[in-house]
Amino acid sequence: GESVGLHLPTLSVQEGDNSIINCAYSNSASDYFIWYKQESGKGPQFIIDIRSNMDKRQGQRVTVLLNKTVKHLSLQIAATQPGDSAVYFCAAGYSTLTFGKGTMLLVSP
Amino acid sequence: DGGITQSPKYLFRKEGQNVTLSCEQNLNHDAMYWYRQDPGQGLRLIYYSQIVNDFQKGDIAEGYSVSREKKESFPLTVTSAQKNPTAFYLCASSTDAYYGYTFGSGTRLTVV
Repeated sequence: GESVGLHLPTLSVQEGDNSIINCAYSNSASDYFIWYKQESGKGPQFIIDIRSNMDKRQGQRVTVLLNKTVKHLSLQIAATQPGDSAVYFCAAGYSTLTFGKGTMLLVSP
Repeated sequence: DGGITQSPKYLFRKEGQNVTLSCEQNLNHDAMYWYRQDPGQGLRLIYYSQIVNDFQKGDIAEGYSVSREKKESFPLTVTSAQKNPTAFYLCASSTDAYYGYTFGSGTRLTVV
């Protein structure tokens, strides 16, 4: 099976900083990876995804990096804003997704 | 607007009762999923269904049951056999895992 872990339960940054949230997965057969954002009391929202045939993918203010050699995934948020404050989950899999525990991102003005 | 709807938003259950959480989607997705979320924990898979009239157990299926009689609907019943049901329950749907999941807004279940 797959297990997914995040390195930090909480990340505190200043508004305008770049944020990096990390994730590790265990199953080298996993070929699809997703980042979600979850605000308090709400369901997770899709941020960005990446397939195993890619190393990097960019969206609006977000970049996902995939290092298959060390089974590591990261989410970079540029110019972090207070509205980015939420819990961020990564998920990995190849048929169903396994989710990590989440990192709470706290953005101070 | 297409989406996935969970109801109710809040649900209270007495000891020994079965309760059913509703999940409906109008995205024409084939696959549907139920996850449980506890404070400080990741999402844990309860059941999933990739096609009507078929479903599979996830990692924590004990004490739960589901049905998939229609493509749009995937209700979850929390039975009295589930000893610690207080949690936030999330339903999701997808065309397949390669397109990510769309989540509902969740149901918070509390045992009273």
